[in-house]
Order: sequence, then structure tokens, then C-alpha cells
Amino acid sequence: QSALTQPPSASGSPGQSVTISCTGTSSDVGGYNYVSWYQQHPGKAPKLMIYEVSKRPSGVPDRFSGSKSGNTASLTVSGLQAEDEADYYCSSYAGGNKVVFGGGTKLTVL
Amino acid sequence: EVRLLESGGGLVQPGGSLRLSCAASGFTFSSYAMSWVRQAPGKGLEWVSAISASGGTTYFADSVKGRFTLSRDNSKNTLYLQMNSLRAEDTAVYYCAKVLSLLGVVSDFDSWGQGTLVTVSS
Repeated sequence: QSALTQPPSASGSPGQSVTISCTGTSSDVGGYNYVSWYQQHPGKAPKLMIYEVSKRPSGVPDRFSGSKSGNTASLTVSGLQAEDEADYYCSSYAGGNKVVFGGGTKLTVL
Repeated sequence: EVRLLESGGGLVQPGGSLRLSCAASGFTFSSYAMSWVRQAPGKGLEWVSAISASGGTTYFADSVKGRFTLSRDNSKNTLYLQMNSLRAEDTAVYYCAKVLSLLGVVSDFDSWGQGTLVTVSS
């Protein structure tokens, strides 16, 4: 199980949009519509932001959206706000009830 | 409100054992698969293990297979992770996480505990 590939960092100014990519293989991201995105602030537990590629849990702002094309999934944060500054992790179902995570992306709001 | 409370972390020597517990409340524990995810200091998230709602089936990452076992007591709403033959690379915060889907597909984790730190060192 190799980790999914995410850029180590991303940034944007308040009000702008930023997109974070998550690249896997046909055995994980490309093979299933079970991609999730998690937000983690320093010292806190991860929080589910997107599940099943593009669904938002109750309470997550619609500024957060997810998509997938082939073996690459993406998280877009629109209308960036200061509180969006955090680490973001993607994950994917990898068959056999196993999960693989990405290495994480540190999002900085300039 | 869903609450997950981990306990049992601490300092253990290489080769030693530790048992983590996760006490759940606020949802029908016996209806959901559960999982453990760990995070080494300053590193990313790593999926460790999962167990079906009934407890009859368990799944493990290759990195812990054969050393860790996972069980649950649905009468006590508690999840257990038994960790044996611990190595320095097992040092991490261990999070208990609830699987979102009632279908039992281990994919999305919609609730997380605050984590318990396991340190493997001599």
C-alpha cells in the first residue's frame, strides 16, 4: 500500500480559491468512488470535510468541494478564510477494506 | 453527539506490548465498523486497522499485520487494539475513528477521538 501523492504545500490569499491534488493508482483512487478529505489543525484530530469524492458532511461549508478524474482526486477551497489554514489529507479505499492516505498538504492563507 | 475516547497509551520498550481502548458513545456502536489511524510525530496519517460492526472480521495494514490484533465489545461500546512486538517506528498518536458507512465499507471516517500517544523507546 503506497501512500497517495499530495503536494507538500499550497497557498492562497483570503477570498481566493485553491485546489489540492491527490494522485493514486487504479487500485485506489481510480478504482473506487471512495475518496475522502480531512482537515487537521495543529494538535487537533482530523475532521472529515469531503467523502465519497464530492459529498460534504453536515456542517462543512459549501466552500469546500471535491472531484475526481482518473487516478487523481482534488479538493477545492473557494473563498479562502483564515481558519482554512491547516493540513489537509486525502484518503482512498484500496480494496479489501483497507485505506491509504496521502502525505498531507499544508495550506497557508497568505 | 458522537464521542470517542482513547486510552492506554504510554511509554513502552521495543519488543513490548500495549493495549489501547476506545470508549464510544452517542451512536449505535454495534452498527458501525471502526478503525484505528496513527500519526507519527510531525508526520502524516497512516491507516492501521479496522473491524467490522459485528467484530467478526478484522483488517490490518501490512506494517502491523501479525503484531497487532483488533477486537470490540459491543456490550461495552468499546474498541481494543492489542499491540505486540512494538518497534520504534510504531511511535505515534493513535486515533480511534468511526466509519461513516452503515454498509461496512471501510473508507470514510466521520468521527475521531482526540488520540493517545504511544512511545516506543528504551
